[in-house]
Amino acid sequence: GAVVSQHPSRVICKSGTSVKIECRSLDFQATTMFWYRQFPKQSLMLMATSNEGSKATYEQGVEKDKFLINHASLTLSTLTVTSAHPEDSSFYICSAKQGAENEQFFGPGTRLTVL
Amino acid sequence: GENVEQHPSTLSVQEGDSAVIKCTYSDSASNYFPWYKQELGKGPQLIIDIRSNVGEKKDQRIAVTLNKTAKHFSLHITETQPEDSAVYFCAASNEGRRALTFGSGTRLQVQP
Repeated sequence: GAVVSQHPSRVICKSGTSVKIECRSLDFQATTMFWYRQFPKQSLMLMATSNEGSKATYEQGVEKDKFLINHASLTLSTLTVTSAHPEDSSFYICSAKQGAENEQFFGPGTRLTVL
Repeated sequence: GENVEQHPSTLSVQEGDSAVIKCTYSDSASNYFPWYKQELGKGPQLIIDIRSNVGEKKDQRIAVTLNKTAKHFSLHITETQPEDSAVYFCAASNEGRRALTFGSGTRLQVQP
């Protein structure tokens, strides 16, 4: 099946700093990528949807100026958590899909810890 | 928007027994229903999916059933093994809203 990678797998940062997470589709062109956040023992909550070459669509309650998403190519999307605070500590997971296909392929996730 | 409810939240079975997880959805326009297995510290992995033009789908020990009228779908795992222990999520999406809406998850524990 299709492979999606994320980097880094885990990151620890100080409060107030910015963190960039990369999501790559390794063997297919991802026309749409999604970013999810998952708190411990909870489900995945969609943060935003990004289509290659256009602005991301954010879910209600997700601050677009705090969670910057860039989908500059068909194989790479980045999520930047700006001015991170302890409450932003979470497991961030991306997924990617190709064209009109329903199936989404998920990355392995990035665990962010903000001290 | 879509709302997906999942039951039970935890499920413990003996090795070799069957496990059933049920989900209901609210949006009649939803037409794609995947199931994911998530192990601790990892991303979700697709284990089976079903589209609304099909009532049942089977892949070895795993099967999914869909009742469009009642708006519910179920995951069935037969002959469970300890390695089946994980958190399972159902999800739903449609042509208009391509993003997935996830259920709350079921923690399955298979006792050896």
